[in-house]
Amino acid sequence: ETGVTQTPRHLVMGMTNKKSLKCEQHLGHNAMYWYKQSAKKPLELMFVYSLEERVENNSVPSRFSPECPNSSHLFLHLHTLQPEDSALYLCASSPYSGANVLTFGAGSRLTVL
Amino acid sequence: KQEVTQIPAALSVPEGENLVLNCSFTDSAIYNLQWFRQDPGKGLTSLLLIQSSQREQTSGRLNASLDKSSGRSTLYIAASQPGDSATYLCAVSQTGYALNFGKGTSLLVTP
Repeated sequence: ETGVTQTPRHLVMGMTNKKSLKCEQHLGHNAMYWYKQSAKKPLELMFVYSLEERVENNSVPSRFSPECPNSSHLFLHLHTLQPEDSALYLCASSPYSGANVLTFGAGSRLTVL
Repeated sequence: KQEVTQIPAALSVPEGENLVLNCSFTDSAIYNLQWFRQDPGKGLTSLLLIQSSQREQTSGRLNASLDKSSGRSTLYIAASQPGDSATYLCAVSQTGYALNFGKGTSLLVTP
């Protein structure tokens, strides 16, 4: 593992379900990120947290709700998703926000039926 | 808005060949440029980071160049091996927190 652990690795959910993705980093970093990787599209930044405070919300729909209880953990709460939300969700961390050397997790593959 | 383009989208070469992956970007006002590798079902691994003031970076068989004024970068892989098979992503950094990624080049090195 790379030091950034994501669970679950695979998730299938219906449009009315509520689920959460979890990310944990053991690198002592102060910034954490959620990225979305859809087929045939570039990675898209969703959220940035620095010292547990959200510092960027990149026009993400409210059906995605992030939570950062401490600098080592990051969650992405999911509810009433659409099939087009099916994608690989990648978590990353960096020593501080704006430091562009990111360590990525392996991702959570989400399928919305 | 910064647009990052990677050519080719896919590439297949026999083992031992030297190869070049291309990345272009539309806004030359960047802080740095990175090349990442992504294996199937895995996250991204940073390969090389070039600051805007630098022209190139080398790591083992990999060499990345940056021509900021023309908005281009190349990743050169020498003596390719089957283990190099992966998707290679280029990302540029500007102001703020976001890295702007290309769609990647999928590389297959055949034995």
